[in-house]
Amino acid sequence: DGGITQSPKYLFRKEGQNVTLSCEQNLNHDAMYWYRQDPGQGLRLIYYSQIVNDFQKGDIAEGYSVSREKKESFPLTVTSAQKNPTAFYLCASSILLQETQYFGPGTRLLVL
Amino acid sequence: AQSVTQLDSQVPVFEEAPVELRCNYSSSVSVYLFWYVQYPNQGLQLLLKYLSGSTLVKGINGFEAEFNKSQTSFHLRKPSVHISDTAEYFCAVTGGGTYKYIFGTGTRLKVLA
Repeated sequence: DGGITQSPKYLFRKEGQNVTLSCEQNLNHDAMYWYRQDPGQGLRLIYYSQIVNDFQKGDIAEGYSVSREKKESFPLTVTSAQKNPTAFYLCASSILLQETQYFGPGTRLLVL
Repeated sequence: AQSVTQLDSQVPVFEEAPVELRCNYSSSVSVYLFWYVQYPNQGLQLLLKYLSGSTLVKGINGFEAEFNKSQTSFHLRKPSVHISDTAEYFCAVTGGGTYKYIFGTGTRLKVLA
């Protein structure tokens, strides 16, 4: 059964701590994306990757980092430099960069 | 630059009544348009998309949308809603050679018994 999985569902971060959100897909999609969702603001693009070992900054990349070592995986690290990390984070993938995007179930990040 | 406007932040409607969720976009190039639905604490699910061809697009769960180029709109409609349609709905636009999806701020549909 193909799809996108994100873990964990909820994540708690302490001040000054880096945390990593997992995103895995078995759809054989080349392109993957990370979005941040805040109430009333829609979705904003953090990073995207169109191929293994390559990724680009989106609109709000400051305080975040990513890697793309495998086609199936695109983890997002929220660093201590991100001062307002509380949000719902969504991972998406598409066959190619300009194709229809499909979304994972999301991870809610909360600050302790 | 492309942009998307969803004028209604909330739309209450009684069960079995029709509903229209409005989406207007601005773009100087050909566009692709999408509607996604999001249930509480879940990801976005694709309802329907317009890429080219017929301007009336049918999607899942009985929803449909009409692409109107002259009015730069892509309104979502359903003739008879169910309680289970209560969710947030997002319109998105891309196109013109760009990979970027531009999302609207969402419309929260609340179906009342």
